[in-house]
Amino acid sequence: RKEVEQDPGPFNVPEGATVAFNCTYSNSASQSFFWYRQDCRKEPKLLMSVYSSGNEDGRFTAQLNRASQYISLLIRDSKLSDSATYLCVVNEGAAGNKLTFGGGTRVLVKP
Amino acid sequence: NAGVTQTPKFQVLKTGQSMTLQCAQDMNHEYMSWYRQDPGMGLRLIHYSVGAGITDQGEVPNGYNVSRSTTEDFPLRLLSAAPSQTSVYFCASRGPGTSGRGLVADTQYFGPGTRLTVL
Repeated sequence: RKEVEQDPGPFNVPEGATVAFNCTYSNSASQSFFWYRQDCRKEPKLLMSVYSSGNEDGRFTAQLNRASQYISLLIRDSKLSDSATYLCVVNEGAAGNKLTFGGGTRVLVKP
Repeated sequence: NAGVTQTPKFQVLKTGQSMTLQCAQDMNHEYMSWYRQDPGMGLRLIHYSVGAGITDQGEVPNGYNVSRSTTEDFPLRLLSAAPSQTSVYFCASRGPGTSGRGLVADTQYFGPGTRLTVL
């Protein structure tokens, strides 16, 4: 079993719609969690952190469920520019030296 | 700040050749790392460094060497290229960033990547 798993998609989303997807992790001792965005043939960039109490940044909302060991990302009012691959990242080490990346969820927003 | 820079952007090697992928950052970050990204597998850590003179192995270190003589530079050396090393390589440094509610302690800043093909 992979340590961090994501549905690869693609999620085909009409412009203006809401899309949500999850990421599951296997290490219950994981310390912190992030969502990164990666555009085609580009480097990953931090989208947002995921806090225990949830985190909202504009149209993006991230949630953490420690009991079930998953994090989620919800995108409201999807824009064409939201088309990208979203990477789930889990920090499994206290010193922050063990970041594990999921394989990514591809989102395609269409007019 | 230029952030994290990598050279070259593209490279084609023949099996058995050696080469060095260059990585530099100008953010004075102590922690730097090298990842490879293959389809469907996510980014996998090759080597990392917590400061000048200190390096350690990641998840997939075989076939690669690193050194860290300065804070700024973290080159990755392929000793004898193999087709299995065909991949996209990302260098990253870690430092404070901002996201959502404010300061994030361990943001990874990635370079633009090197696309390597080994024939």
